[in-house]
Amino acid sequence: DAKTTQPTSMDCAEGRAANLPCNHSTISGNEYVYWYRQIHSQGPQYIIHGLKNNETNEMASLIITEDRKSSTLILPHATLRDTAVYYCIVRLPWDGGSQGNLIFGKGTKLSVKP
Amino acid sequence: DTEVTQTPKHLVMGMTNKKSLKCEQHMGHRAMYWYKQKAKKPPELMFVYSYEKLSINESVPSRFSPECPNSSLLNLHLHALQPEDSALYLCASSQRTGDYGYTFGSGTRLTVV
Repeated sequence: DAKTTQPTSMDCAEGRAANLPCNHSTISGNEYVYWYRQIHSQGPQYIIHGLKNNETNEMASLIITEDRKSSTLILPHATLRDTAVYYCIVRLPWDGGSQGNLIFGKGTKLSVKP
Repeated sequence: DTEVTQTPKHLVMGMTNKKSLKCEQHMGHRAMYWYKQKAKKPPELMFVYSYEKLSINESVPSRFSPECPNSSLLNLHLHALQPEDSALYLCASSQRTGDYGYTFGSGTRLTVV
């Protein structure tokens, strides 16, 4: 699976948009970009994923560049409860012999401040 | 039911004890996973089960012994652990096909004394 690079930490003011970048320059054509977050001492929580197109759900938006070498997770109106470690992961889908395992990098510690 | 349930939430065990961690899901997922997470580190994959068969063992020491008795249950048997095995142990499940995400449990906080 391709490796990802994320900033170690970021701050965001409450109510503002949080934009979390991720570089995945070695991503292959059939690898998906996934975002998870982990609030202190809880299990990781799925946020969103995409392949080529931008995606939006009730939690966040995912913007993937046209060359797919980077992406940005957008939390449109960050709250204090969004303080967490955010992981960007690229993985293959389960498909034939592919295991499609989720391998975590170091993530970005997002601190939302009042 | 859209949850992965892990029990116990906390466990303290001695180095000579035998204990088991339990994970249960009723979402019909046919892939299940064990991860280990040390403090301030990302989760590390330990084992992958696919259709109740062990498909990946990430070179985990034999003092950790996984078991998948049926499609809803995943156990992790622990024996002769070391203090450095103290960690948060996370279970996850997913569909076996396609691009679906994982659902994680809240973990078992293990302390080896």
